[in-house]
Amino acid sequence: AQSVSQHNHHVILSEAASLELGCNYSYGGTVNLFWYVQYPGQHLQLLLKYFSGDPLVKGIKGFEAEFIKSKFSFNLRKPSVQWSDTAEYFCAVNARKYGNKLVFGAGTILRVKS
Amino acid sequence: EAGVVQSPRYKIIEKKQPVAFWCNPISGHNTLYWYRQNLGQGPELLIRYENEEAVDDSQLPKDRFSAERLKGVDSTLKIQPAELGDSAVYLCASSLPGSANYGYTFGSGTRLTVV
Repeated sequence: AQSVSQHNHHVILSEAASLELGCNYSYGGTVNLFWYVQYPGQHLQLLLKYFSGDPLVKGIKGFEAEFIKSKFSFNLRKPSVQWSDTAEYFCAVNARKYGNKLVFGAGTILRVKS
Repeated sequence: EAGVVQSPRYKIIEKKQPVAFWCNPISGHNTLYWYRQNLGQGPELLIRYENEEAVDDSQLPKDRFSAERLKGVDSTLKIQPAELGDSAVYLCASSLPGSANYGYTFGSGTRLTVV
C-alpha cells in the first residue's frame, strides 16, 4: 500500500538554526509531492509543491524541498528558522496510479525556541 | 476569497449520539474531500466528491458514516451513532476540477470529542 513516512515526530531548534525534515514515500511511478504547514490554531496551508522539472523547489517563507527520485525522498529545508516557524509540518504525496488521492505523513511538530 | 468554510469548529457529544458536520467549498471548486485527522497522525481521506458524485468512498466506514453533496456545492458528513474512537478533527478540502495535482485548500476543521 502507498505510504508516506516522516522521520521525526518532534523537533526542537533554536532560532537561526538550520532545519531539515525528512519525508519518504513508497509509491512507484509519477508522483506529485507537497509540504503543508499547520500553525497553532490555524488550518493546513500549502507550503510548497513539486510536479516536474527542477527537483529543488522553493516555497513560501524561505522554505525549500528537494525531490530525490532514487531515494523516494522529498525533504524540507530552511537555512535559518524563526520563532514564527513553530508549527506542524506534513508531507503529502499523490500519484496518478492511485487516483490522485493525497496521502499524508504523520506530521512533524517543530518548536523553535527564541 | 472566503476559503473553505466548515462548521461547527468544535463539537462534544456523548457516545451513541448522532453528529453532523458541514462544509462549504471555495466557489467553483467542483472537487470536495472529507479527511479525518486523528491525534498525532496526518489526515486520512474519507470520501471524495466530483460535483455531487462520490467517486472515492473506499475509506468511509459505511456502517455509521454517511456523506452527501446534493447540489454539488455544500456537503455534510454524518456519524450515527458516534463511538469514542471517532474523536478526531474532520477536515474538508476542495480543489478545481482536474487540478488535484496542484494541492487542495483546506478548511479549519471540526474537532469532535466523543465522551
